[in-house]
Amino acid sequence: AQKITQTQPGMFVQEKEAVTLDCTYDTSDPSYGLFWYKQPSSGEMIFLIYQGSYDQQNATEGRYSLNFQKARKSANLVISASQLGDSAMYFCAMREDSIYNTDKLIFGTGTRLQVFP
Amino acid sequence: GAVVSQHPSRVICKSGTSVKIECRSLDFQATTMFWYRQFPKQSLMLMATSNEGSKATYEQGVEKDKFLINHASLTLSTLTVTSAHPEDSSFYICSATGTSGLDTQYFGPGTRLTVL
Repeated sequence: AQKITQTQPGMFVQEKEAVTLDCTYDTSDPSYGLFWYKQPSSGEMIFLIYQGSYDQQNATEGRYSLNFQKARKSANLVISASQLGDSAMYFCAMREDSIYNTDKLIFGTGTRLQVFP
Repeated sequence: GAVVSQHPSRVICKSGTSVKIECRSLDFQATTMFWYRQFPKQSLMLMATSNEGSKATYEQGVEKDKFLINHASLTLSTLTVTSAHPEDSSFYICSATGTSGLDTQYFGPGTRLTVL
């Protein structure tokens, strides 16, 4: 079974609008972390935001916020006021924090976001 | 923020030769480094996890004799692709976590390998 699912292969959004990128996950580990990374065409992976499974509040980092719904096992990324420079691939990832884990990240298949003027 | 560098950013080599890729953490000590491979328009595939001073742990299906990983210090890990073949052509990207445990992985800029 897929541990991280990103169902949107591509998304379009107009500049200055908000956009939500979906991510659902599957784990039986009570402690885990959820991450979003941005990969522009240059290839580098840029860390955007982190949500811990025990965090009471949704994580926010500037224009990025994570809509964490634990019961639904979803961790959607919300980008507010989209900019042309936001056009990139976005990957959702999960780390299971069991004692047997070696900090490995499990990545989703990614969503390509295109921002148009 | 934490900075990870990779060198070279791009390499072209002949089939049968070996290629070494370096991954460095520039402003933090990386107890654990990870090596990923990414095919065009696909997600990252973890190849191996390396801890400073110990042998790397390879993922299932990754040939340890072909992809040699050395993590000799807290700031440097190397991936050597031995006897490279055209099917090894890919984007290789490393990441590193710090010493405090359960840290965020910070990624290098990646290395594009083309084997002719």
